[in-house]
Amino acid sequence: KAGVTQTPRYLIKTRGQQVTLSCSPISGHRSVSWYQQTPGQGLQFLFEYFSETQRNKGNFPGRFSGRQFSNSRSEMNVSTLELGDSALYLCASTVSGGNTEAFFGQGTRLTVV
Amino acid sequence: SQQGEEDPQALSIQEGENATMNCSYKTSINNLQWYRQNSGRGLVHLILIRSNEREKHSGRLRVTLDTSKKSSSLLITASRAADTASYFCATDKGGGGNKLTFGTGTQLKVEL
Repeated sequence: KAGVTQTPRYLIKTRGQQVTLSCSPISGHRSVSWYQQTPGQGLQFLFEYFSETQRNKGNFPGRFSGRQFSNSRSEMNVSTLELGDSALYLCASTVSGGNTEAFFGQGTRLTVV
Repeated sequence: SQQGEEDPQALSIQEGENATMNCSYKTSINNLQWYRQNSGRGLVHLILIRSNEREKHSGRLRVTLDTSKKSSSLLITASRAADTASYFCATDKGGGGNKLTFGTGTQLKVEL
């Protein structure tokens, strides 16, 4: 069974640009969550999508958005990039409801210059 | 914001020794999970303990949960160099969906 796939693995963008990250969950998993990891703030929850609907949302500005497609693949978008958006972005997939383990991808390392 | 703290922040031990990491959290939870992360890569799920459980084992791992003290501990027995990694606790408050709140992490180094 294939794991969670995140693309691309590395990205370098310039301030003010926008970026789209992709996550393909484990087959049969319907929930996809996104997390941002930085040395200063640690691991922080961005949002969760389930059946193409945003089910939970963290405390991030509106520049961070996401969506989920009918095949459960998810994308997150960050517009008007700031230097502080440099981070490791992790995607996690779970079967459906809560109270179960999450499976994480290898992450996308975003550097904003 | 992060749910809580992990203690210690860093731990260095010799191969074969046991490693104990502690996690404290702030609010009521549905479950608590432990994850391992190697060098800025993805997180690997280790164990999940539900709020009505007090102790759980998986191989060389033993997790305890004390909901009255809002704390958990992870014990790795007979550690190996390959256990060198960062360890995070994460809490799920329930209420629908999957939203984990992570602790600050413990960096474990196991030396030969």
